[in-house]
This record gives sequence, C-alpha cells and structure tokens, in this order.
Amino acid sequence: DAGVTQSPTHLIKTRGQQVTLRCSPKSGHDTVSWYQQALGQGPQFIFQYYEEEERQRGNFPDRFSGHQFPNYSSELNVNALLLGDSALYLCASSPRLAIYEQYFGPGTRLTVT
Amino acid sequence: AQSVTQLDSHVSVSEGTPVLLRCNYSSSYSPSLFWYVQHPNKGLQLLLKYTSAATLVKGINGFEAEFKKSETSFHLTKPSAHMSDAAEYFCVVRADSNYQLIWGAGTKLIIKP
Repeated sequence: DAGVTQSPTHLIKTRGQQVTLRCSPKSGHDTVSWYQQALGQGPQFIFQYYEEEERQRGNFPDRFSGHQFPNYSSELNVNALLLGDSALYLCASSPRLAIYEQYFGPGTRLTVT
Repeated sequence: AQSVTQLDSHVSVSEGTPVLLRCNYSSSYSPSLFWYVQHPNKGLQLLLKYTSAATLVKGINGFEAEFKKSETSFHLTKPSAHMSDAAEYFCVVRADSNYQLIWGAGTKLIIKP
C-alpha cells in the first residue's frame, strides 16, 4: 500500500514565477491538507480539501490556491513567488472518519531565488 | 488564540536514559492531542494521539504521553532512548472551532552515545 506521495521532490524557481506541487493521498483517504514548513519551524496550515472543495484555509494569501481531483489527488499552486515562499511543502491525507489522523508525504522542497 | 507550547527547543540525553519532551496546550474543550516525529530529510510520522479515552496513551517505538487536564499538559516520554530516536518532535492540538491542527514549534531530540 503506497503512502502519500508528492512531486517533485525539489524545485528551484525565480521570484515572480508560478509553481504547481502535486500530491497523491494514501489509499482509502479522501481528505488532503497542505502545510508550509519553513526551516527550523513547525508546519503552518495552508488549506484542506475534501470532496473537491476547499473546506478550511489558514492564514495564507490568495497567491496560494489549490485543487482536488475526483481521484482525491491534489495540487497546490503558488503565484508570484516571493523569496519568503522558500520552504518545505507538506501534503497530508486522512480518512473521512478520522480527519485529524494525518499521514504525511515526504514533502517538496521549494527554493525561490 | 489557541496555542501549543513546547517548552524546550532542544533536549539532549544519553543513549539508554529516559526521554521527556514537554508540551502545554490551550483549548476550550476536551482536546484532541497528537505527537508527530520528523526524522532528518523525511516526512512527518504520527507517534500517538489522545482523543478523550485513557489519559496515558501508548504510541509507536516505545513512546508514551500522559494527558493532564489540570496542568493542560501532554508530555512525551520514553523509558530508554535509542540512537534512532534522534529527530524533531512536534506536539499538536486540534483547533476548537475548525478543522485545523495547531502545531508547536518543535523539540529537537539529541541522543548522545
């Protein structure tokens, strides 16, 4: 049983560019959450998707957007990249009846230059 | 605002000695609490969870945590540290009013040979 997978593993972008990160949830999970983890800090909640809709959003600007597909996979899009967007982006999936039991992928390391 | 405080940014113990990682939380209701571990360059893994059942919760790899409502604490312990326990540990509480998880800043556990 594959766990949560994320792609790409690493990414380098320039300020002002746009980026798309991808996540496939664990088998049987239908809820996907995205987090940003800056170096030396705990994860910060970006948003959560359920039934292809954004159910909850953290304190992130509209430059951060997402999507969930019918197969429960998800994308995180960031527009107009800033240097401060450099971080590890984590995707977590959870089953409908236990949305707080989150299983994390290995993350995508985004570097903005 | 709701919060989680991990009282030590770093904890250093010798292999074979007990581990104590401290966590205090704020919550208006009976909380759901979690401990996650993050090994270097790896994703986050759920160690254990408290969801209003027994106050002493057993997790993976020999870790335990005790919920103390009067002290608003959820400290993580292990009787005997192993070199493989070296990692970053995060204490997490479910938000009272929405679907978010609120994360502590993390405690880095260092194991001395």
